[in-house]
Amino acid sequence: NAGVTQTPKFRVLKTGQSMTLLCAQDMNHEYMYWYRQDPGMGLRLIHYSVGEGTTAKGEVPDGYNVSRLKKQNFLLGLESAAPSQTSVYFCASNTGTGLNQPQHFGDGTRLSIL
Amino acid sequence: GENVEQHPSTLSVQEGDSAVIKCTYSDSASNYFPWYKQELGKRPQLIIDIRSNVGEKKDQRIAVTLNKTAKHFSLHITETQPEDSAVYFCAAFGGSQGNLIFGKGTKLSVKP
Repeated sequence: NAGVTQTPKFRVLKTGQSMTLLCAQDMNHEYMYWYRQDPGMGLRLIHYSVGEGTTAKGEVPDGYNVSRLKKQNFLLGLESAAPSQTSVYFCASNTGTGLNQPQHFGDGTRLSIL
Repeated sequence: GENVEQHPSTLSVQEGDSAVIKCTYSDSASNYFPWYKQELGKRPQLIIDIRSNVGEKKDQRIAVTLNKTAKHFSLHITETQPEDSAVYFCAAFGGSQGNLIFGKGTKLSVKP
């Protein structure tokens, strides 16, 4: 059981470039989340999904898009990267018995936008 | 919406002492309060959680207390060890928003 796997682990982009971060979970979890973590800011929710084919906005959704075409995968896209999106991105998932269940995190993706 | 305040932002203790981290929340509808530990460069890991129908929960050296009336909850670590050094995050499930809201974290340093 790998749990929650994020790819890539590190990436450097130039302003204006696009990229997609992949999150995969093998725990058959219904709910998946994308967070960003900035120094002194804790974890802030970008987007989340309560099931295959569904997505919803979190606290800081601007500049990001997501897709949940398969239950096990949750993709985070940056269409036109900006330096303000330099951050560590964490994916998480939890079971379908309710949003108030323990979340399991991936190892994170460290993204730098130059 | 929900807002979670966490104090202190840094905490330094001697090995063997106790450490207490406090969080307050604003949404009385919140009903789930997890605590995460994050070591440098690693993922956040759940260490303990509590639900609104319980006032206290213990797991070995770690305990969490919840005061619903005052809308605050605390993490207590007893007999601290150097490996407890990490950043700890509290969170509240914002019932009206439907997602976890995190505090800004407490950096705990345990000196040998």
